[in-house]
Amino acid sequence: DTGVSQNPRHKITKRGQNVTFRCDPISEHNRLYWYRQTLGQGPEFLTYFQNEAQLEKSRLLSDRFSAERPKGSFSTLEIQRTEQGDSAMYLCASSFLPPGQNIFSGNTIYFGEGSWLTVV
Amino acid sequence: DQQVKQNSPSLSVQEGRISILNCDYTNSMFDYFLWYKKYPAEGPTFLISISSIKDKNEDGRFTVFLNKSAKHLSLHIVPSQPGDSAVYFCAASAPGYALNFGKGTSLLVTP
Repeated sequence: DTGVSQNPRHKITKRGQNVTFRCDPISEHNRLYWYRQTLGQGPEFLTYFQNEAQLEKSRLLSDRFSAERPKGSFSTLEIQRTEQGDSAMYLCASSFLPPGQNIFSGNTIYFGEGSWLTVV
Repeated sequence: DQQVKQNSPSLSVQEGRISILNCDYTNSMFDYFLWYKKYPAEGPTFLISISSIKDKNEDGRFTVFLNKSAKHLSLHIVPSQPGDSAVYFCAASAPGYALNFGKGTSLLVTP
């Protein structure tokens, strides 16, 4: 399978604990995105990387959230001191943007199957 | 503020008929539009896209229409099949902005 891979698929954690999700993008995709989706809503943008550089963070990404993509391949999303409001599906997506093309515009992103987080 | 709006939370269509899913947007800078399909407990799957330089794009049973003056796009599925039952998300992008999603429309295709 050469699609976007996320793990774990499900995570139940107690409030206050830290959790980490991993995303492996489609090979040779230079862009990697994190989104969050809650019930009844569409995916909401959190952050994205161009290779290893984190280029944008949404205001939804509080200080308790940190994302990395150390070698420009896989990425991790860590949530510290989890709160019940963090319960959601965390979606990773990737895309290939040719050099020089406007960021985002005309760029199709491909999602993984998501990681469900339940904070109890 | 919601820049991409899908005003119909749900739609029910008989198998074999046409399904029409609608989407409106407010940001005139959007120049690329996409539809994604999502089954429960799975990530969204890309279906079809359209650039603002076109007004129609077709891929098999799926056709997307774009009306820039009305800031409206629609997805037509003909003929509808039970396997098409899912949540459909409209998304739009503009240079320098993240892909912006609507809240989705749940399509049910009945036999």
